[in-house]
Formats: sequence, C-alpha cells, structure tokens
Amino acid sequence: EDKVVQSPLSLVVHEGDTVTLNCSYEVTNFRSLLWYKQEKKAPTFLFMLTSSGIEKKSGRLSSILDKKELFSILNITATQTGDSAIYLCAVPLEYGNKLVFGAGTILRVKS
Amino acid sequence: KAGVTQTPRYLIKTRGQQVTLSCSPISGHRSVSWYQQTPGQGLQFLFEYFSETQRNKGNFPGRFSGRQFSNSRSEMNVSTLELGDSALYLCASSLNTIGTGELFFGEGSRLTVL
Repeated sequence: EDKVVQSPLSLVVHEGDTVTLNCSYEVTNFRSLLWYKQEKKAPTFLFMLTSSGIEKKSGRLSSILDKKELFSILNITATQTGDSAIYLCAVPLEYGNKLVFGAGTILRVKS
Repeated sequence: KAGVTQTPRYLIKTRGQQVTLSCSPISGHRSVSWYQQTPGQGLQFLFEYFSETQRNKGNFPGRFSGRQFSNSRSEMNVSTLELGDSALYLCASSLNTIGTGELFFGEGSRLTVL
C-alpha cells in the first residue's frame, strides 16, 4: 500500500532554532516528492524533489531527497513565528495529480 | 493572476441532504483535483479532472461525485450527507498536463453536517 509517513507529528521550538522535519515514503513508480506549508486553509507549495542528493533551497528553507533510503527532510533555519504552520509531505501516484499526503508536522515557533 | 476560487466558503447541512461545491481554477490550468481534509484522516484524494474527464479517483463511496466544465471550472457533489462528511474540502489546480504533483490550492469549503 502506498504511504507517506511524517515525523515528528508536532514540534515546539523557539525563534532562532533550526528544525528538521522528516518524511518517509513507500510508493510504486516514484516520480517526485513535494512539500507544502499550510497556515490556515490553503496549502502552499514549497518544493518538488525528483533527484537524490540535490538540495532545493528557498531562503531559510531547504530540502533534500534520498531515493535509496526513501525519505526526505525539510530544514528550516533561524525559525520565526511566521514559520508556525502544518508542513505536509506528499507523493503523486499513478498518472496525473493524485497525491498521497502524510499526516503533517505541526510546527509552533514561540517568540 | 487570480488564484483558485472555491465557493461557498462555509456551509451547514443536515444528514441526508446533498451539497454541491464549486471550484474555479487558475486561468489556463486544466487539471482540477479535490481533497477532503479532516483532523483524523488528514488530506485524502477524492478525484481529479482533466479536460472534462475524470483522470483519477480516490477511495470514496459513490455518494461523492464531480464534474468539470469546458472552461475547466469544476463541481463536486456529495449526496445523502453523513456526519462523517464534515470536513474541509480543498480544490487544487495544476498547469502541468502529465501531472507532477505541483498543485495550487484554494481556501477550501468548510462543510458541517448536523
């Protein structure tokens, strides 16, 4: 059965801390892995990863994929209160845009 | 450029009723997907439409249906509502025709079934 597992489920840190969020997956015909951030309602796209070992970076956020070990990590450095959100990991199945999502990691950054 | 628009944003129904939710994708996006989000099950895929054809379907009962119009706008319908259908229903559109998973989500329709 195709599945995506995220850890930890929740995390509380202080501003300035660095956090690492984990995502492992088991899917047939892997094509890509995606990270989304959900603050209130609409998840917003962060990264799409297709190749192992190539880091994607956007400001204080970065992510990397390991296709051999079937996992990805999302790093956030120098966290800010605005980083508080649910971080979702997802993998597309089959042909098209059918995604299976992990349960998400709830991140709370305290000032 | 306008984002994905979903209507209504909030609605309350009673068991046994039916509901129709609407989604207008980003201009030029031909793929529209629907997801159900609940605290217990997280985000679960309902179905995807591309060029008015259902391209993928999730594991939901037949009470959940959808369609897509020629202008790419999509609707989903839930008949004979149950309490467990209470959820946030998210619509997402995509530009990529073969599907890479990069989706643009709407704000969602919050359905409460009493």
